[in-house]
Amino acid sequence: EAQVTQNPRYLITVTGKKLTVTCSQNMNHEYMSWYRQDPGLGLRQIYYSMNVEVTDKGDVPEGYKVSRKEKRNFPLILESPSPNQTSLYFCASRQDRGSGNEQFFGPGTRLTVL
Amino acid sequence: GQNIDQPTEMTATEGAIVQINCTYQTSGFNGLFWYQQHAGEAPTFLSYNVLDGLEEKGRFSSFLSRSKGYSYLLLKELQMKDSASYLCAPSQILTGGGNKLTFGTGTQLKVEL
Repeated sequence: EAQVTQNPRYLITVTGKKLTVTCSQNMNHEYMSWYRQDPGLGLRQIYYSMNVEVTDKGDVPEGYKVSRKEKRNFPLILESPSPNQTSLYFCASRQDRGSGNEQFFGPGTRLTVL
Repeated sequence: GQNIDQPTEMTATEGAIVQINCTYQTSGFNGLFWYQQHAGEAPTFLSYNVLDGLEEKGRFSSFLSRSKGYSYLLLKELQMKDSASYLCAPSQILTGGGNKLTFGTGTQLKVEL
């Protein structure tokens, strides 16, 4: 089954404790991205990647890092989480950079930083 | 830059028709997506328009006017399961190549009996 998976689905952590949210897709998609979703603000892009070893900042990259060492994986790293990073996070992928390609979303990771 | 405007909430009756409007100001515009998102779940693709006009897909249709920066999503024969948030997402060409989707804050549709 074609899908985007994320782990963990739920995480409660404390300020300053490094964490990684994994994302993997099995559709051989070139393009992957991370979003956060907050009430009243909608989905905002954190980082994106157009291919292996090619990543770039989205609209809200501060406090986050990403890597793309393999085509299927695109982990999101929070080196020192803070309470303002409490949010619902979605990973997404699509076939390539073409304009009309549907973007597939993972199931989401609900992160709480205390 | 991007500026996307869609109503925050709408209410409609089961079996009726509802139109959700979206206006946008997007540099390098090259198409517009609509996504559906149920509470706590991931967004799922509904439609994509790149040319002016109406695209019909079952009970859902989407319209685009590029010159007016305007799109709407039309839902017919509403069902209770259509209660969800509907996200308007214009796509723009990036200077470095590729395309970027920017999402509106969504229209929360409530379908009542």
